[in-house]
Amino acid sequence: NAGVMQNPRHLVRRRGQEARLRCSPMKGHSHVYWYRQLPEEGLKFMVYLQKENIIDESGMPKERFSAEFPKEGPSILRIQQVVRGDSAAYFCASSSSRDGGYGYTFGSGTRLTVV
Amino acid sequence: EDKVVQSPLSLVVHEGDTVTLNCSYEVTNFRSLLWYKQEKKAPTFLFMLTSSGIEKKSGRLSSILDKKELSSILNITATQTGDSAIYLCAVMNYGGSQGNLIFGKGTKLSVKP
Repeated sequence: NAGVMQNPRHLVRRRGQEARLRCSPMKGHSHVYWYRQLPEEGLKFMVYLQKENIIDESGMPKERFSAEFPKEGPSILRIQQVVRGDSAAYFCASSSSRDGGYGYTFGSGTRLTVV
Repeated sequence: EDKVVQSPLSLVVHEGDTVTLNCSYEVTNFRSLLWYKQEKKAPTFLFMLTSSGIEKKSGRLSSILDKKELSSILNITATQTGDSAIYLCAVMNYGGSQGNLIFGKGTKLSVKP
């Protein structure tokens, strides 16, 4: 069981480019959550997805950010036209039920740097 | 607005010391409070607390919730250098998607040999 796999581990993008972050949940987990961690800040909830459904995107900026979790393949967090303020660590977590929290397993994160 | 506040933000101790980390919260429809340890990579789960006054213990770590005071503490006894990490407190509330954890900023603990 490889756990939650995120790639790439580090991503450098120039301002205006697109960033794609991938998350493969643990085997058997169908609930995926994305969090963003800014320097010296706690993790902030962005979006909660199940297969082919966005359940809660209340924490995701309405512009430039989108997320999907297709029937096949990993969950993708896409950031279009990146700006310096998007530089952060993006963590994905998965769980097997809606309980989250207790059943969360976090990935090691993708560190996005916008230059 | 729901919020979770941790203190201190950073702490430096020597091996063998005992430390107490604090977490206070203001959330609607509180469900549970969770502690995580983050060492440069993925946060790893430590404890989940739902009921007031019941201590959870794992080795040298222990935690307790006080719903009256809207707070929790995480104790680490006989600290070791391997305890150096950021300790995150998070709260889950009822309602909404139930997938949303509200995190504090964390306490950065440094244990010196």
